[in-house]
Amino acid sequence: GDQVEQSPSALSLHEGTGSALRCNFTTTMRAVQWFRKNSRGSLINLFYLASGTKENGRLKSAFDSKERYSTLHIRDAQLEDSGTYFCAAGNSGTYQRFGTGTKLQVVP
Amino acid sequence: EAAVTQSPRNKVAVTGGKVTLSCNQTNNHNNMYWYRQDTGHGLRLIHYSYGAGSTEKGDIPDGYKASRPSQENFSLILELATPSQTSVYFCASGDNYAEQFFGPGTRLTVL
Repeated sequence: GDQVEQSPSALSLHEGTGSALRCNFTTTMRAVQWFRKNSRGSLINLFYLASGTKENGRLKSAFDSKERYSTLHIRDAQLEDSGTYFCAAGNSGTYQRFGTGTKLQVVP
Repeated sequence: EAAVTQSPRNKVAVTGGKVTLSCNQTNNHNNMYWYRQDTGHGLRLIHYSYGAGSTEKGDIPDGYKASRPSQENFSLILELATPSQTSVYFCASGDNYAEQFFGPGTRLTVL
């Protein structure tokens, strides 16, 4: 069965607001990676975590291997944050499986 | 400068034809991967490789072959393309227990 469950599938935010995306894992994962697919279709690396939290500008991610989840928080959302966000996680060290994505639309 | 490149970026093929998608990485990573991404799905792993000469089946390998002739190059081969293989294909490179880096994607349409 699916090992990575991502939610929500779609999200609309007004500029300046924030929210959280979440990935739950059906098995223990060793690391998680977050990406954004931009309007050109490119996958942009946002975070790679083996544990704990990381922050970069208006984005912050957390990964709890024991509790089997990861989150991506977006604050002060801007129009250019729009896109589809994916998490991916692996337990083998060799390859990872992706969530189904969260389509984020930031509106004025 | 881009560390993972793919060619072609767009491809239209006919049903039953042979398609080869190419990927090159300058990251000197051991592992390389081929995924496809369809609406409503995340990226799904087709084939991957641990290094030159190795290919491994991913989650959805049927209808695809892969070739890793060198550390830098990893190809995905559709011997007999079908319309169900219309998709966007992404190549990636990475090392064990480390992040993956993706190419820009190839949009394949099979008519």
